[in-house]
Amino acid sequence: DAVMTQSPLSLPVTLGQPASISCRSSQSLVYSDGNTYLSWFQQRPGQSPRRLIYQVSNRDSGVPDRFSGSGSGTDFTLKISRVEAEDVGVYYCMQGTHWTYTFGQGTKVEIK
Amino acid sequence: EVQLLESGGGLVQPGGSLRLSCAASGFTFSSYTMSWVRQAAGKGLEWVSAITSSDGRTYYADSVKGRFTISRDNSKNTLYVQMNSLRVEDTAVYYCAKGGRLTDIWGQGTLVTVSS
Repeated sequence: DAVMTQSPLSLPVTLGQPASISCRSSQSLVYSDGNTYLSWFQQRPGQSPRRLIYQVSNRDSGVPDRFSGSGSGTDFTLKISRVEAEDVGVYYCMQGTHWTYTFGQGTKVEIK
Repeated sequence: EVQLLESGGGLVQPGGSLRLSCAASGFTFSSYTMSWVRQAAGKGLEWVSAITSSDGRTYYADSVKGRFTISRDNSKNTLYVQMNSLRVEDTAVYYCAKGGRLTDIWGQGTLVTVSS
């Protein structure tokens, strides 16, 4: 299995300030079709996960443009340009290239 | 609007069985791979199983292989997972998810508790 390692695991952020989460895979996430199946999910307290980003950098409909994804191969990043109160929650990266699909451990974003 | 509604969770003794269902609406169910993902209390996400749309190929995590069986009824827009030989460590919220490698929409989850 591809092991997904996120850092940091806890991220206290001041409102209006940027935040960045790293996700590294133990294997390249480039699939045989040339695509890279790396997604980012947000899980607010008491809610189901919600996808924010798919295939590294594509933002889902309705996701604020302060969220952006980047990276390639084995190294990926989720950035929030200006953190808002509604961004509190746990963020997971997920690889869909190698079965068994796997998630990172999660990064808890909280407001300072 | 895409909706996924899980049901069938509950309390079961170790070694017991349970069948979860996921009723889908708002999209062409038969065209999508469907998945089950679980989350133990206070823990992260673990992919459990997936089933493709076209040929019904199934995939399982090593932790459930041989004990869980995923299936789908495209005429009823419903996804299932039959869970046998349940263990304490299977205790979790089980989510139904639309898609496989590009999973996007998740249900609200159903709680499975394995305890004596």
